[in-house]
Order: sequence, then C-alpha cells, then structure tokens
Amino acid sequence: NAGVMQNPRHLVRRRGQEARLRCSPMKGHSHVYWYRQLPEEGLKFMVYLQKENIIDESGMPKERFSAEFPKEGPSILRIQQVVRGDSAAYFCASSPLSRDSPLHFGNGTRLTVT
Amino acid sequence: KQEVTQIPAALSVPEGENLVLNCSFTDSAIYNLQWFRQDPGKGLTSLLLIQSSQREQTSGRLNASLDKSSGRSTLYIAASQPGDSATYLCAVRRGETSGSRLTFGEGTQLTVNP
Repeated sequence: NAGVMQNPRHLVRRRGQEARLRCSPMKGHSHVYWYRQLPEEGLKFMVYLQKENIIDESGMPKERFSAEFPKEGPSILRIQQVVRGDSAAYFCASSPLSRDSPLHFGNGTRLTVT
Repeated sequence: KQEVTQIPAALSVPEGENLVLNCSFTDSAIYNLQWFRQDPGKGLTSLLLIQSSQREQTSGRLNASLDKSSGRSTLYIAASQPGDSATYLCAVRRGETSGSRLTFGEGTQLTVNP
C-alpha cells in the first residue's frame, strides 16, 4: 500500500509563472489536506478537501491559490503568478473517513521562486 | 483560535538518555492529538495518536501522554539513540464535527549525540 505521493519533489518557478503541485492520497483515503511550511516556521493549514468538495479553505490565501480534488485523479494545489514569498515546502496529507485515524503525510514539494 | 506550543525548541542529549518533549494547547476541546517526527528535507512520519478519551499511548521506546483538561501532552523517549535525531511535532485535531484540520506546534529539534 503506497503512501501519500506528491510530485514533483522540487519545483523551480520564476516570478509570475504558475505552479501546480500534485498529491495522490493513500489508497482508500477520501480526505486530503494541504499544509505549507515556510523556512524556519511550523506547518500551517491551507485547505481540506474531500472528493469533489472543498470543506475548509480558511487557511488558503484568497488570491492566486486554488485547490481541487476531482472524482478521478490526484488533488492539485495551484498557485498562479508566483512570488518569492511563495517559496516553501508544501505538504499533502490524507486520511480515511474516520477522524479517529491518523493523518499520513507525503514527502512534500519544495517550491523555489526565483 | 487554537495555539500549540512546544518546549524546548531545541534539545541536545547524549546517547542513552531518557528525555521528555512537551506540548501545550490553548483550547482543550480537541478530538485527538498526534505526534510526528520530521527528518531534514523529508515529510512527516506519524509516531503516536492519542484520542481525547485516552491518557497515553505507547509504541516501542516512545510513550505519549495527554492531559486534556490542562491542555498538555508529553512525548517520552527512552534510551535515546542517534537515529532519534529529528524534529518532533505535535498537532491537535479540533473537536468540531466539520473541519478536521490539525494545528501544529513549531516543533522540538532533537539531537542525540553518540
């Protein structure tokens, strides 16, 4: 049973470009979470999705950021017109339906904006 | 708003020592608490999950306790080894029925010296 898969592992974008980060949850997991870890800071919640639904996006900036978790395929975190302050590690986690289960994290995508 | 604090921020110990990492949270209305370790440049590995109704959980040399009423958890590591060197994060899950995010502390960076 493969873990949470994120790709790419490293992503370099110039200011103004778009960044697309992908996350495939563990098999059987229907809940996906995205977190951001800025250099020297803790993990901050961004968005929580279930299949085809955004449940809680209160941690995601209103502009330039969007997330989806389609019926088929991975969850996508999309950042438009990236700026240097977007440079961070972006982690995806998944869990099954029950809140009693632990979250399982991927290895993250490290975004560098030049 | 839930805030999670971890003390100390960094800890360096000789191999073989027993040690305690501390985590405190401001809102005691939590559903569960999870301890993770994060190795440099890697994702998070789940160590222990304690439900709000439980007092402690054990896995090998690790023991986590939870005192929900006082807003505290500890992670006890017995007979520490150099391979235990990592950043340890605690995270609490809210008790509300909707919105199941984890709120993380900033972590304790542990170094175990041979």
